[in-house]
Amino acid sequence: DQQVKQNSPSLSVQEGRISILNCDYTNSMFDYFLWYKKYPAEGPTFLISISSIKDKNEDGRFTVFLNKSAKHLSLHIVPSQPGDSAVYFCAAKVEQFYFGTGTSLTVIP
Amino acid sequence: NAGVTQTPKFQVLKTGQSMTLQCAQDMNHEYMSWYRQDPGMGLRLIHYSVGAGITDQGEVPNGYNVSRSTTEDFPLRLLSAAPSQTSVYFCASSYSPGAGETQYFGPGTRLLVL
Repeated sequence: DQQVKQNSPSLSVQEGRISILNCDYTNSMFDYFLWYKKYPAEGPTFLISISSIKDKNEDGRFTVFLNKSAKHLSLHIVPSQPGDSAVYFCAAKVEQFYFGTGTSLTVIP
Repeated sequence: NAGVTQTPKFQVLKTGQSMTLQCAQDMNHEYMSWYRQDPGMGLRLIHYSVGAGITDQGEVPNGYNVSRSTTEDFPLRLLSAAPSQTSVYFCASSYSPGAGETQYFGPGTRLLVL
């Protein structure tokens, strides 16, 4: 059973606008959450993370929000750039890492 | 500093053949892991290791063996390949298995089992 879910397989956004990627999880014991970015034929690369004791973490254009009561995680990219086009995976950790199925983001110039 | 390296990049096997996927890291990371990526399934953990001589099973360990004789290397063995093992395999490492540690991924090995 998938403990971490990304229900949107794809997302298209105009350059300069906000991209919002969503992730839901079922296990309330997860203590750490991460977002990874993946280009074709490459391994995932770490983007941003958040501890379960926080509800927001920012790093430049990227902000991750955590809503523990809703078991929901989101990644905001503002402003979106064509180079952000990639597959984004959310992941959650309790002893080991559990990944979502990924959302393919396309930023249209 | 090469990071996490994986060989081969691509492999075709026949059902029943065996092979070893190689993974090495030069960052002195204690924690290493193997994932497989399948369409619609995301990344699933196969096996992981918290240090030399210590390995444990992840979410989908059946059909795979691992060992960790050195800090640097963490090979994944398929003893008798099956078509269900057709996938892209990623090796990852981090300094420790702690919650705050980011994993660094290799470029992946694409495996096709006929």
